[in-house]
Amino acid sequence: DQQVKQNSPSLSVQEGRISILNCDYTNSMFDYFLWYKKYPAEGPTFLISISSIKDKNEDGRFTVFLNKSAKHLSLHIVPSQPGDSAVYFCAASEGRSSGDKLTFGTGTRLAVRP
Amino acid sequence: EAGVAQSPRYKIIEKRQSVAFWCNPISGHATLYWYQQILGQGPKLLIQFQNNGVVDDSQLPKDRFSAERLKGVDSTLKIQPAKLEDSAVYLCASSFDRFQETQYFGPGTRLLVL
Repeated sequence: DQQVKQNSPSLSVQEGRISILNCDYTNSMFDYFLWYKKYPAEGPTFLISISSIKDKNEDGRFTVFLNKSAKHLSLHIVPSQPGDSAVYFCAASEGRSSGDKLTFGTGTRLAVRP
Repeated sequence: EAGVAQSPRYKIIEKRQSVAFWCNPISGHATLYWYQQILGQGPKLLIQFQNNGVVDDSQLPKDRFSAERLKGVDSTLKIQPAKLEDSAVYLCASSFDRFQETQYFGPGTRLLVL
């Protein structure tokens, strides 16, 4: 049972344009969501997070939107840069602390074309 | 600050053999996690330690997998005996404590079981 789903395995975007990565979840107990970025041969690195009490969180070029009623979140990258090319994982937990288990999606591979 | 260290980076073994992975978390981090990432999937938590105590090992296949963190710092994960389906990347992560949002990941150990 995949509780966190990233239905697009890959995405290709032109440099300077917006990248939108989507994530859906089924567990209504999830109340904290994170995005991780992973380069080849490296571990995932934390990118941005959002609590269920918010519907938007912004950090520089990265913005995460949360639609609780639709159980959907998205990561927007504006403008996209070639260095953003990586695999992006959506993750969710049932508590704000990372002590609560993180459930990861299967990832979306983003390619930003120069 | 030094990141999470893992060794070896790669390991190839035959089924029914044993293998061990080592992780050194970021200095001062009390919480340590082991994840299994099978090709095409997101990381799945195997076990979580708080200092040298186990917080969550509900997804650890205890008939063949074991992990320890004897002095609350380094940790080892062992598989004995290995099966073909254990082929995966094994990621170690650490966080300052259970109530920090950010888990810092090591580069992982890629295991191939033949």
